[in-house]
Amino acid sequence: QVQLQESGPGLVMPSQTLSLTCIVSGGSISSVGYYWSWIRQQPGKGLEWIGYISYSGSASYNPSLESRVTISVDTSKNQFSLKLSSVTAADTAVYYCVRVREGTSAYDIWGQGTMVTVSS
Amino acid sequence: QSALTQPASVSGSPGQSITISCTGTSSDVGGYKYVSWYQQHPGKAPKLMIYDVSNRPSGVSNRFSGSKSGNTASLTISGLQAEDEADYYCTSYTSSNSYVFGSGTKVSVL
Repeated sequence: QVQLQESGPGLVMPSQTLSLTCIVSGGSISSVGYYWSWIRQQPGKGLEWIGYISYSGSASYNPSLESRVTISVDTSKNQFSLKLSSVTAADTAVYYCVRVREGTSAYDIWGQGTMVTVSS
Repeated sequence: QSALTQPASVSGSPGQSITISCTGTSSDVGGYKYVSWYQQHPGKAPKLMIYDVSNRPSGVSNRFSGSKSGNTASLTISGLQAEDEADYYCTSYTSSNSYVFGSGTKVSVL
């Protein structure tokens, strides 16, 4: 049973870089057939797709965030990461890491989410 | 990219059927079969309910069904139950090699 768990600081200063990690347990992040995604939800708002990365390291990003986002995979630690630079209060949100079945729109396994607040 | 358009709220009585629409463009919903739907209860992570327009994952009740016509996808919940009260979101693959979510719909069971 694959499980995902987000980790990282709950508070980030404005203009700094937000860094989160998603630890994958119960399965290998290198397994063929899956992508690994980050999705966020601002307080009281809807879901926003940030991007995803394949097991081989090929990434796609939300065009509105692309200039500030990097998603990477560390197969040795069975985890993937999100970096979002130059953050503002608008980046305050719950951040979810999610598994995606390759070749489908099935975002099928979600982490519990982690709240990140951008504030000085 | 603009969010897909969903009604803010839909309500129904127990046992009734309701339909939630998700309207996009030919560059997203209308152009691909990659539309999925998620249920989110307060304070919880979203749950996959339908993927690739009409496919239901194992373990999801067959009361949930999906369809698409042109630039609009739809999620139908039949035999509405109290536990179905939640927020629902659609998402679609786009021509920008990205995904876009809908604005979300709050389902109330009267």
